[in-house]
Amino acid sequence: ELKVEQNPLFLSMQEGKNYTIYCNYSTTSDRLYWYRQDPGKSLESLFVLLSNGAVKQEGRLMASLDTKARLSTLHITAAVHDLSATYFCAVDPYNTDKLIFGTGTRLQVFP
Amino acid sequence: DTAVSQTPKYLVTQMGNDKSIKCEQNLGHDTMYWYKQDSKKFLKIMFSYNNKELIINETVPNRFSPKSPDKAHLNLHINSLELGDSAVYFCASSIRGATEQYFGPGTRLTVT
Repeated sequence: ELKVEQNPLFLSMQEGKNYTIYCNYSTTSDRLYWYRQDPGKSLESLFVLLSNGAVKQEGRLMASLDTKARLSTLHITAAVHDLSATYFCAVDPYNTDKLIFGTGTRLQVFP
Repeated sequence: DTAVSQTPKYLVTQMGNDKSIKCEQNLGHDTMYWYKQDSKKFLKIMFSYNNKELIINETVPNRFSPKSPDKAHLNLHINSLELGDSAVYFCASSIRGATEQYFGPGTRLTVT
């Protein structure tokens, strides 16, 4: 059974600090997505990673993909309160548009 | 100019009732999806339609029946609602074979 695991599940961090969220998946996938969800809200697409070694950056967030290790990372630089949300990774291992979501990482940034 | 919209936003109903959730997208996409997010925030795909044809049909009780009258609309009908059906249901859309899926605002279903 395909598994997509994120760690940590919960992350409380101080403003200004750096941290990395990890997404591991159990089968080959060339497509990996990161989404953000604010409480009670929808999912917002952050990054689409389509090949081994792909790296994308937007503001204080940077995502990377290592398909050989079946690992993606979401790195947070100099966190600010506005980044507080739940972050999900998702894979589409068979390129069938069937997204398999990770467990989610709830991020809280405090002053 | 909402891209993916769902109605209703909230739905509270009693066990045993039948209810429907509607989804519409104005992005010109050809594929639409239903996802369920449970109380632990876990997201799981339920169905997808491409140009009104059922493509993905996960292991979901047959009390759940999706219907797509056209490629811009995907509805979800649920019969004989159970307590365990309480969740947030998200609709999404994309262009088939492309990458990004766009999600609707969600429908919070509460079964009492």
